[in-house]
Amino acid sequence: DIVMTQSPDSLAVSLGERATINCKSSQSVLYSSNNRNYLAWYQQKPGQPPKLLIYWASTRESGVPDRLSGSGSGTDFTLTISSLQAEDVAVYYCQQYYSKPYTFGQGTKLEIK
Amino acid sequence: EVQLVESGGGLVQPGRSLRLSCEASGFAFGDYAMHWVRQAPGRGLEWVSGIDWNGGNIDYADSVKGRFTISRDNAKNSLFLQMNSLRPEDTALYYCAKDPTTKPYYMDVWGKGTTVTVSS
Repeated sequence: DIVMTQSPDSLAVSLGERATINCKSSQSVLYSSNNRNYLAWYQQKPGQPPKLLIYWASTRESGVPDRLSGSGSGTDFTLTISSLQAEDVAVYYCQQYYSKPYTFGQGTKLEIK
Repeated sequence: EVQLVESGGGLVQPGRSLRLSCEASGFAFGDYAMHWVRQAPGRGLEWVSGIDWNGGNIDYADSVKGRFTISRDNAKNSLFLQMNSLRPEDTALYYCAKDPTTKPYYMDVWGKGTTVTVSS
């Protein structure tokens, strides 16, 4: 199984500042035939189901603010929030869909400093 | 409005069975793959199972393989998860989630979940 490891486990950032969450896979999730990275990012706020933010590592889901962006390739990926807003407080998860069983990272809790 | 509503959760003794249902509305259910994802209390997300648009391609997490069975009824816009030989470690909030493609990859719409508690 592909192991997804996020860092840090928790992060406190001041409003308006940049937040960066990392996700590393135990093997590449880049499919060479189509040059796509099979990685998604989700946001989960307390008491709510997860919400899709990013898929194919860098494609933003409709309605997601452009201050959130995904980057990376192969085994190393990053979710960046360019200017933290209060509504961004949540737990963020990466997920690989390159091979089954699909696996999630352990989550990164983002708070306001 | 695209909506997924799970039901069927509850308190069950170890070794017993439970069947979860997910009723979909607001989209062409039969055109999309579907998933079950669970979240144990205070823990992260765990993918449980996925099924493609017509039920021809099914996969499971190792932790549930041989005990859980996913199925769908496209005529009734419904997804199911038959859970047998339940264990305390199956205790979790179970989410039904839609995939934006015909094959199970990732999840673009989630239900609110149904809680399963396995305890004697």
